Amino acid sequence: SAVISQKPSRDICQRGTSLTIQCQVDSQVTMMFWYRQQPGQSLTLIATANQGSEATYESGFVIDKFPISRPNLTFSTLTVSNMSPEDSSIYLCSARATWGGYEQYFGPGTRLTVT
Amino acid sequence: AQTVTQSQPEMSVQEAETVTLSCTYDTSENNYYLFWYKQPPSRQMILVIRQEAYKQQNATENRFSVNFQKAAKSFSLKISDSQLGDTAMYFCAFMNPQGSNYKLTFGKGTLLTVNP
Repeated sequence: SAVISQKPSRDICQRGTSLTIQCQVDSQVTMMFWYRQQPGQSLTLIATANQGSEATYESGFVIDKFPISRPNLTFSTLTVSNMSPEDSSIYLCSARATWGGYEQYFGPGTRLTVT
Repeated sequence: AQTVTQSQPEMSVQEAETVTLSCTYDTSENNYYLFWYKQPPSRQMILVIRQEAYKQQNATENRFSVNFQKAAKSFSLKISDSQLGDTAMYFCAFMNPQGSNYKLTFGKGTLLTVNP
């Protein structure tokens, strides 16, 4: 399995500001994913990040609001831009390993509160 | 588009007993993967078990096993000898490796509480 860390683990931000979340994997992976989990809800995929190409966004999510970087095979960032209270959620990154099956391994999540 | 349904928002079980969580899904694909993930209060999503659709044999991992009924599009999780540490939200997830960019589609989850 892959070990994934995220920074920060939590943050409280003011509306209108931006926050960048970092995701680090302990081994090289082909695909990384960013999810949002609103309070008491399931996970919703924001985008898929492949190294060396633009991220692929799901319906309802746009690059201007959630820019993503994937500079190498072990690291990715998600920025939540121009935040509003509706962006208060847990943001999780995951990675699909280059070995084995199709399972994804998840980071511990970043709890974001926007005031 | 694939959908995943977990019809039990909450369940409880006594320690050492067995509990089954249900999951159904809708797809027109023949080749796909199904997963159960566990999310305890710490928020960490943990992979519990995986099932490949082309395998008839049900997957097992220690105290966790699945009942995979492909024709019925059903994928239930059985937890035997429940432990207090099994208390968590459990999510069923579907993945189609063909043309879906390997993304997971999650159900809404079942909150399982194991009582002492």
